[in-house]
Amino acid sequence: GDSVTQMEGPVTLSEEAFLTINCTYTATGYPSLFWYVQYPGEGLQLLLKATKADDKGSNKGFEATYRKETTSFHLEKGSVQVSDSAVYFCALSGHELGNEKLTFGTGTRLTIIP
Amino acid sequence: SQTIHQWPATLVQPVGSPLSLECTVEGTSNPNLYWYRQAAGRGLQLLFYSVGIGQISSEVPQNLSASRPQDRQFILSSKKLLLSDSGFYLCAYNRDNSPLHFGNGTRLTVT
Repeated sequence: GDSVTQMEGPVTLSEEAFLTINCTYTATGYPSLFWYVQYPGEGLQLLLKATKADDKGSNKGFEATYRKETTSFHLEKGSVQVSDSAVYFCALSGHELGNEKLTFGTGTRLTIIP
Repeated sequence: SQTIHQWPATLVQPVGSPLSLECTVEGTSNPNLYWYRQAAGRGLQLLFYSVGIGQISSEVPQNLSASRPQDRQFILSSKKLLLSDSGFYLCAYNRDNSPLHFGNGTRLTVT
């Protein structure tokens, strides 16, 4: 079945550091790929997505490129801020009959130190 | 605008007690509805999804059940909670193949 593997956390960085959170997937067909973010005490919010190979999703300074050859969707940001502290989830969708069943990774907790 | 409400935000229940978590969606009709669970140290696991009133699909056999009595209402229940039911429960919705929108979640602790 479909699965998502993302780097284990927690990850602690200083403000303005470069961020990479690795994500690889296993899926049949051509899934869409997502990054969701969960701020403390809140539910998940969609951060960015890519629906086909070589697409780049971007939002709030974060980027991720859908790499079919390496089955990866790594999340990057050039200069992180304290407000980026959150848990980040990589996910893929198995489109099925009009609904979207997401398969999530285990999440990576990111803490940014001033 | 579309919004999703989930309550309660936190809940502490003894083993063997019943459970009812409620989720409602506003601003859209005939949404797909989902219940996810996030257990400690684990990723999000899809528990149930529904594409219409009275239509429930279960992804993981367990101690929980779901119901959809109205178009925009999704309820997660249990007759007798187990310690292993502790976790963070998230309701979500979408229309067609749009991205999921999540509620703020309910943190359930079974003691």
